[in-house]
Amino acid sequence: DTGVSQDPRHKITKRGQNVTFRCDPISEHNRLYWYRQTLGQGPEFLTYFQNEAQLEKSRLLSDRFSAERPKGSFSTLEIQRTEQGDSAMYLCASSPGDRAPYYGYTFGSGTRLTVV
Amino acid sequence: KQEVTQIPAALSVPEGENLVLNCSFTDSAIYNLQWFRQDPGKGLTSLLLIQSSQREQTSGRLNASLDKSSGRSTLYIAASQPGDSATYLCAVPLMSAGNMLTFGGGTRLMVKP
Repeated sequence: DTGVSQDPRHKITKRGQNVTFRCDPISEHNRLYWYRQTLGQGPEFLTYFQNEAQLEKSRLLSDRFSAERPKGSFSTLEIQRTEQGDSAMYLCASSPGDRAPYYGYTFGSGTRLTVV
Repeated sequence: KQEVTQIPAALSVPEGENLVLNCSFTDSAIYNLQWFRQDPGKGLTSLLLIQSSQREQTSGRLNASLDKSSGRSTLYIAASQPGDSATYLCAVPLMSAGNMLTFGGGTRLMVKP
């Protein structure tokens, strides 16, 4: 296992278009998190999954955002009707469930979204 | 609500200097604290994870300390090199069901040759 994988690395889209990002976590990790990071800031929590269940969503996750984790493996994050304010780095992390606070979190390389 | 602050926001030093990055948090009830490195346009690489019961962790030229009672952690980098230039982030997991991380704003480090 080579760690957490994210695809694509970069995405440029026109305002109003829909985009979808994918995250493949470490295989034995049952928790998966999405974060958003704007320039010069630390990452901010968006949502997380325990297996296939989406258990919490941040207020940052407007109704234009939707995330799924079918079968508890990879996850997708879709943004509908993109706005310029959605331009950011979208980071995915995984962790070994309830042991997460003790074993830490592994992040992917991120997807850089630019909305023009 | 947990808040994490990092000082300084940016730091520029000549090669070879020893340096200290600071991280403070408002709620001392934490499981652990994790330090990450982020290169421009890249994801996060975990550097050190300090459990709440530990005082410090070391990896090569890096040493991280944790003082829970005062809500502080420091990352010490010995004999800095230009390759250390990056943004350094500290984060603590919330004491909630999801244990999601709360991050500081980062310290942007530049080591000049």
